[in-house]
Amino acid sequence: EVHLVESGGGLVQPGGSLRLSCAASGFTLSDHYMDWVRQAPGKGLEWVVRSRNKANSYTTEYAATVKGRFTISRDDSKNSLYLQMNSLKTDDTAVYYCTSSTGDYRDFDYWGQGTLVTVSS
Amino acid sequence: DIQLTQSPSFLSASVGDRVTITCRASQGVDRYLAWYQQKPGKAPKLLISAASALQSEVPSRFSGSGSGTEFTLTISSLQPEDFATYYCQHLNHYPITFGQGTRLEIK
Repeated sequence: EVHLVESGGGLVQPGGSLRLSCAASGFTLSDHYMDWVRQAPGKGLEWVVRSRNKANSYTTEYAATVKGRFTISRDDSKNSLYLQMNSLKTDDTAVYYCTSSTGDYRDFDYWGQGTLVTVSS
Repeated sequence: DIQLTQSPSFLSASVGDRVTITCRASQGVDRYLAWYQQKPGKAPKLLISAASALQSEVPSRFSGSGSGTEFTLTISSLQPEDFATYYCQHLNHYPITFGQGTRLEIK
């Protein structure tokens, strides 16, 4: 059974940094596209970043709102995905979800429970 | 960027009703359109992939249709557990975007 468990959220001041982790189980991380999606309090869903699978050279795509500040990475030996977030802004406050894609259309068929990031002074 | 507009944004309905949610894309997305259900405090759940492919373990009362710029999610007979927020999403190219959501509440 597939499980995704995020960790690393918390309170950080504007301009600060945070690293989120996503521990995957029940599948081989290197085979899957992986994404981060966020949801600000009371708001809708916003896609943040994608890491393609090993077969596609782990290439990445970023939303314009985070490009240059956030970096996605993975450690396949630990079956874990990461999101390094730098220069954080108050607008980055959200629940961050780790997701995986297995189908041909690369939609998000598995989701973690989310981790809350609060950017505030 | 491709904008997805869902209508309505809010829907009040009764158990047993048939409801339809529409998602319109600002440009064609072929069939790279997914639907998700989200309940309060929970992660979204994928219901439909590729515009009309029902995910395993999703009840058959849910169905999706459309291609190009107009898509629909239909629930044929609402059950109490269906009251939630629904989002469409395109994956045709980057950035991936979501619709603003449709909140379905009990009348």
